[in-house]
Amino acid sequence: QQQVKQSPQSLIVQKGGISIINCAYENTAFDYFPWYQQFPGKGPALLIAIRPDVSEKKEGRFTISFNKSAKQFSLHIMDSQPGDSATYFCAASKNTGNQFYFGTGTSLTVIP
Amino acid sequence: GAVVSQHPSRVICKSGTSVKIECRSLDFQATTMFWYRQFPKQSLMLMATSNEGSKATYEQGVEKDKFLINHASLTLSTLTVTSAHPEDSSFYICSAPWTGRAGELFFGEGSRLTVL
Repeated sequence: QQQVKQSPQSLIVQKGGISIINCAYENTAFDYFPWYQQFPGKGPALLIAIRPDVSEKKEGRFTISFNKSAKQFSLHIMDSQPGDSATYFCAASKNTGNQFYFGTGTSLTVIP
Repeated sequence: GAVVSQHPSRVICKSGTSVKIECRSLDFQATTMFWYRQFPKQSLMLMATSNEGSKATYEQGVEKDKFLINHASLTLSTLTVTSAHPEDSSFYICSAPWTGRAGELFFGEGSRLTVL
């Protein structure tokens, strides 16, 4: 059973556009929602994360929007750049931090 | 953030040999580490949870005798692929939860294993 569902599977965006990736979860016990960015041949790198006490978190061009009632969260990449082309994974975990559930990943391509 | 280092980044071996991959937490202690396997263009598949001082917990379907995990210290976990076969060729990644801020998970750089 997929604990975290991610969409779309792939995304193509023009340079300067907004990239939006969505995730949904079922377990209301989750209290930490990170996004990871992975380039080919590299391990995932923590990009930005949110906890359910806030509805939005922004770091530079990256924003997480969190909807607790809908059990959904999304990553917005503003002014998308070719260097943002990578695979993005959402994840969720419980307060112990010892079990993480990952989405299936979104392959983002930003075309010049 | 914290740093997790994985070595080697690439390894090529002959079928039937064993390969060891190391995962180190460089600036924090990790009582738990996770090992993943990733196929091309696919998500992370959790193989096992490595626990310092005790046996690893393997996910269903993962052969514990083939993928030996040892968490020898608070900063080092190793994955040994025993009697490797071409179907074991994959990208292996470790991660560790950072004790500095509860919930943050940091990944190693990954190890590309090719079995000839």
